[in-house]
Amino acid sequence: SQQGEEDPQALSIQEGENATMNCSYKTSINNLQWYRQNSGRGLVHLILIRSNEREKHSGRLRVTLDTSKKSSSLLITASRAADTASYFCATENTGTASKLTFGTGTRLQVTL
Amino acid sequence: DGGITQSPKYLFRKEGQNVTLSCEQNLNHDAMYWYRQDPGQGLRLIYYSQIVNDFQKGDIAEGYSVSREKKESFPLTVTSAQKNPTAFYLCASSIIGVRNGELFFGEGSRLTVL
Repeated sequence: SQQGEEDPQALSIQEGENATMNCSYKTSINNLQWYRQNSGRGLVHLILIRSNEREKHSGRLRVTLDTSKKSSSLLITASRAADTASYFCATENTGTASKLTFGTGTRLQVTL
Repeated sequence: DGGITQSPKYLFRKEGQNVTLSCEQNLNHDAMYWYRQDPGQGLRLIYYSQIVNDFQKGDIAEGYSVSREKKESFPLTVTSAQKNPTAFYLCASSIIGVRNGELFFGEGSRLTVL
């Protein structure tokens, strides 16, 4: 089963613009994480936000979490062509320590 | 450098054959995982192991088997019982006992059934 649903499925923007991706999930969570995947490669961890946190920043990344709406958003500011990749949210559900359930992903294309 | 190594990167198999995908990590992580990814899809959990000589089924374990004889190694066998084995397989590991739960991934193995 897949816990998260990302929106949009695909996003195309120009370099310098901001990119926002959303993730919705279904059950209570311990934390929510965002990962990046370049085409044909493994996933790379970007940022983790715990269930008692509402916002977190890391460089050009900003993540928000609304547990009442069971949703999260990932904002990439001042995007670069190198940000082109698929982005996945993943949840560590309550009672399933260290086991992550992934969403379906957002494909981001950043053009020059 | 520490990391996760998956091999082979590409594998072709005839129908009816079993194949084994290798996953080795030198991160000293307790937990290891196998995920399957189909084109344009997210990751689905096949099996995971939190300690040597113990493992649990994930969401799509049918047609797969694993072993965890060493902390560093978690091989996945795709058996002939797996009806649609063509996919991209990703191995990951994590620390247990801390609240981060971040997964470290290998570069994947792409299996194609001819």
